[in-house]
Amino acid sequence: DTGVSQNPRHKITKRGQNVTFRCDPISEHNRLYWYRQTLGQGPEFLTYFQNEAQLEKSRLLSDRFSAERPKGSFSTLEIQRTEQGDSAMYLCASSSRVEGETQYFGPGTRLLVL
Amino acid sequence: GDSVTQMEGPVTLSEEAFLTINCTYTATGYPSLFWYVQYPGEGLQLLLKATKADDKGSNKGFEATYRKETTSFHLEKGSVQVSDSAVYFCALSGSGGGADGLTFGKGTHLIIQP
Repeated sequence: DTGVSQNPRHKITKRGQNVTFRCDPISEHNRLYWYRQTLGQGPEFLTYFQNEAQLEKSRLLSDRFSAERPKGSFSTLEIQRTEQGDSAMYLCASSSRVEGETQYFGPGTRLLVL
Repeated sequence: GDSVTQMEGPVTLSEEAFLTINCTYTATGYPSLFWYVQYPGEGLQLLLKATKADDKGSNKGFEATYRKETTSFHLEKGSVQVSDSAVYFCALSGSGGGADGLTFGKGTHLIIQP
């Protein structure tokens, strides 16, 4: 297993467009998290899945942000009607019940909104 | 809410110097504490962790002790190398047993000069 993977690694879009990012967690990890990281800041928690259930979504930044994990494996994060302020690194992490709170991060998707 | 405060960088040291990066936290309950490292162009990597008071996490010559009485988790290394140059993040998990996201500090940029 090669760890958490994210695609694409980089995305440039124009303001008002929709974008979707994909995260593939470590196999057999039932927990999946999304974070946003802006320049000079630590990651900011957005949402959490346990298997296919989204158990925490109140921290999503606005109703333009949504996430899914339809079969409890990979997840997608969608941003609708992007704004320049959405430019950031979007990180995905996964963890297992056995390891509890220890989260393993992917390389991130860097979004630039023009 | 939960918060993490780290010393601001950049921190610049000479090779073989002693390193301390301060981290203090505010949290309800009994969080687990983590240090993550982000090397240039790479994703976040778990460096070490501690899950209860007085636990010491260690890895690659780095150590940190969970001090409940001072709500601190300072990162130390006896002799740093140029390859340790990176951004270091202190983080805590909430009391949700892994069901909530990590709360990160802003990160400390460490620069080691030969």
